[in-house]
Amino acid sequence: GAVVSQHPSWVICKSGTSVKIECRSLDFQATTMFWYRQFPKQSLMLMATSNEGSKATYEQGVEKDKFLINHASLTLSTLTVTSAHPEDSSFYICSVPGPYNEQFFGPGTRLTVL
Amino acid sequence: AQKITQTQPGMFVQEKEAVTLDCTYDTSDQSYGLFWYKQPSSGEMIFLIYQGSYDEQNATEGRYSLNFQKARKSANLVISASQLGDSAMYFCAMRGLFQTGANNLFFGTGTRLTVIP
Repeated sequence: GAVVSQHPSWVICKSGTSVKIECRSLDFQATTMFWYRQFPKQSLMLMATSNEGSKATYEQGVEKDKFLINHASLTLSTLTVTSAHPEDSSFYICSVPGPYNEQFFGPGTRLTVL
Repeated sequence: AQKITQTQPGMFVQEKEAVTLDCTYDTSDQSYGLFWYKQPSSGEMIFLIYQGSYDEQNATEGRYSLNFQKARKSANLVISASQLGDSAMYFCAMRGLFQTGANNLFFGTGTRLTVIP
């Protein structure tokens, strides 16, 4: 399957700082990428859809000013958690739709906000 | 709207035995896809198997098979000959097909499978 990378794989930051997470599609170009969030012992919940060259589409309840998404190229989408707080500590996973019906996930980024 | 239900929070199976993980779904879409993913403790999401709503035959991928019963809206995952490495969280997911716009996945709450030696 396609390879999707995320960087960093884990990050610890102080409350109030901003953290940027990168998602790269290594095998093919992606006009759309998805950002999910997974709290401990819970399922994946879609946060937003990243659209290349246009604004991201956010799910209800997700603050667009707090979770900034930039999809500047066909292989890179970034999620920036601004002014992070402990409740933002979570596992953030991106995914890239494949050419058929599959969806390829990145390895995830574990964010811990102290 | 789409909804995925996994009623088994945890399952145990003896090594080398088969196990069935339940998944039921609800959707208003005429065409949709059903997926199973495995998530080990490392967190990565590993694609296991896919079933399209229009597929008449149940999907199979090695030791994984999907017991698709459209009328009952169920898409159970069957793992045969369980191995210790199968211990992980398993998520059932779906999305509508042939739709304009986003094609993100909707996930169930997951089932934690533990394989006993």
